[in-house]
Amino acid sequence: DIVMTQSPDSLAVSLGERATISCKSSQSVLYRSNNKNHLAWYQQKPGQPPKLLIYWASTRESGVPDRFSGSGSGTDFTLTISSLQPEDVAVYYCQQYYSPSLFTFGPGTKVDIK
Amino acid sequence: EVQLLESGGGLVQPGGSLRLSCAASGFTFSRYAMSWVRQAPGKGLEWVSSISGSAGSTYYADSVKGRFTISRDNSKNTLYLQMNSLRAEDTAVYYCAKDSVIVVVVAGWFDMWGQGTMVTVSS
Repeated sequence: DIVMTQSPDSLAVSLGERATISCKSSQSVLYRSNNKNHLAWYQQKPGQPPKLLIYWASTRESGVPDRFSGSGSGTDFTLTISSLQPEDVAVYYCQQYYSPSLFTFGPGTKVDIK
Repeated sequence: EVQLLESGGGLVQPGGSLRLSCAASGFTFSRYAMSWVRQAPGKGLEWVSSISGSAGSTYYADSVKGRFTISRDNSKNTLYLQMNSLRAEDTAVYYCAKDSVIVVVVAGWFDMWGQGTMVTVSS
């Protein structure tokens, strides 16, 4: 099984400042056949379902503000919010989709305003 | 507009059964794999099960294998989750989620989610 970990568990950032979330997988999610990292990021606000932000580790979903960016490869990934806005307060999850027999999510990182 | 609407949740005793439904609209349902993802109260997301567009392939988390069955009726644009032998640890909001792209089996990242239906397993 691929285990996903995230750090930190929570962070508080001032408005307009950068927020950085780390996600690590217990094994590589880089698929050789397509040379893509099978890693997605979601945002979940209280009382709402998750919303897809990033897939293939760095491709922004349509309509997602460009202050959200994803990077990394293999086992180490990062979600960056370049300039935190009030509406970005949420829990952020990474997810690997390397194997259809077991997709797994990270435990989540809560982002608040400092 | 793509919409997913779950139903069928409720309170059930340990060992009991429930069937969840997810009515889809706004896209060609049969062309996309679908999944169930759950979230226990105050906890993170847990993938439960996925099914290909044709229903020819199904996948389950170890925690539900042998107890839950995913299925779909493409003529009714509806996804199902039959849950048997329910346990307290199955208590969660259950979301149905749509694959982002059309693939032969399951892509595994989800561009649309329903609002969820709550399942509570308690005596």
